[in-house]
Amino acid sequence: GDSVTQMEGPVTLSEEAFLTINCTYTATGYPSLFWYVQYPGEGLQLLLKATKADDKGSNKGFEATYRKETTSFHLEKGSVQVSDSAVYFCALSDRSSNTGKLIFGQGTTLQVKP
Amino acid sequence: DTEVTQTPKHLVMGMTNKKSLKCEQHMGHRAMYWYKQKAKKPPELMFVYSYEKLSINESVPSRFSPECPNSSLLNLHLHALQPEDSALYLCASSQDRVAPDTQYFGPGTRLTVL
Repeated sequence: GDSVTQMEGPVTLSEEAFLTINCTYTATGYPSLFWYVQYPGEGLQLLLKATKADDKGSNKGFEATYRKETTSFHLEKGSVQVSDSAVYFCALSDRSSNTGKLIFGQGTTLQVKP
Repeated sequence: DTEVTQTPKHLVMGMTNKKSLKCEQHMGHRAMYWYKQKAKKPPELMFVYSYEKLSINESVPSRFSPECPNSSLLNLHLHALQPEDSALYLCASSQDRVAPDTQYFGPGTRLTVL
């Protein structure tokens, strides 16, 4: 079945450091890919998405490119802030399954220190 | 506006109580979802409603009973829960289920079962 694998955390960075959170996927169909962020005590917020190969999603300084050849959707940010501390989930939704089901990775906790 | 609201924010209930969680969206979305999230884990899908009809039940115990009174509202009725049901319950909605689309999440209800 479809699956998403994220790098294990926690990831601890100093403010203004460069961030990469790796995400790879396995899917039999043509997935859309998402990054969601969950701040402490809150629900999930959509951070960015990409619906086809070579699409780049971006928001709030975060970027991720849909790479079909490497089945990856790595999240990057050039300069992190303390306020970026949160749990980040990579997810896919398979268009061919007709279920609307999101498949999540295990989540990566990011802690940014001042 | 991409807002999904959930009430209550927190709920404490005994194992013999009956309570309900409420979710509302006014984005005109026709698919709505209930997820359960345990600490430090990704959300797990429980139910999917499409055009006010239950389309997916992920083998959820009958002590959880979903209801979709209209296209904007989704309820989750709780009865005779167990302590292991304590979790964050998230509601989400999307434009449609058949064409996988972006799911927008509410802030969640944190449920504690004593």
